[in-house]
Amino acid sequence: AQKVTQAQTEISVVEKEDVTLDCVYETRDTTYYLFWYKQPPSGELVFLIRRNSFDEQNEISGRYSWNFQKSTSSFNFTITASQVVDSAVYFCALSETTSGTYKYIFGTGTRLKVLA
Amino acid sequence: KAGVTQTPRYLIKTRGQQVTLSCSPISGHRSVSWYQQTPGQGLQFLFEYFSETQRNKGNFPGRFSGRQFSNSRSEMNVSTLELGDSALYLCASGASGGVTDTQYFGPGTRLTVL
Repeated sequence: AQKVTQAQTEISVVEKEDVTLDCVYETRDTTYYLFWYKQPPSGELVFLIRRNSFDEQNEISGRYSWNFQKSTSSFNFTITASQVVDSAVYFCALSETTSGTYKYIFGTGTRLKVLA
Repeated sequence: KAGVTQTPRYLIKTRGQQVTLSCSPISGHRSVSWYQQTPGQGLQFLFEYFSETQRNKGNFPGRFSGRQFSNSRSEMNVSTLELGDSALYLCASGASGGVTDTQYFGPGTRLTVL
């Protein structure tokens, strides 16, 4: 069963539009962490944000914001006023401990294309 | 602080050969994880090392192996290469390798098997 689901395979928007990338996760742990990474064409995964399971406060960093809702097991990522440089693949990830083993699980990614 | 470095960045090999990839984590980090990324399979976890011990392993055949040295640098080896091994291999560095860790990634090694 997929533990981190990013249902949107690819999204295209026009520059300056707002866009939300969805992430739904599944875990039985009470302590877990959620992450977002950006992978530009160069290939390196760039860490964007980490959120722990006890902190449901939304986070805003410049044009980026994150909405964490435990009730729906979602950790969505919104880019406001998108720019061409935001074009990349974005990955959501879950860190949990299953049967005493630590696991870091990635979703399949959402490719975002921002058109000029 | 220097980031995660991986060498080489690009590699071309032929079927049946073997290859060794190297990863140097962020200074002070003791956990190194390896991932394989392909267009069809996405990011797949290979294994994780912490203090020279393999703590976690994904579902890959025994042709894929790794090790970690006392300075936390890690190497990954793939023997008897197959065409399907062509991929971007990413290394990630973590401070403690536990559930609270954030993994920081290197630029990757792009392996092409002909």
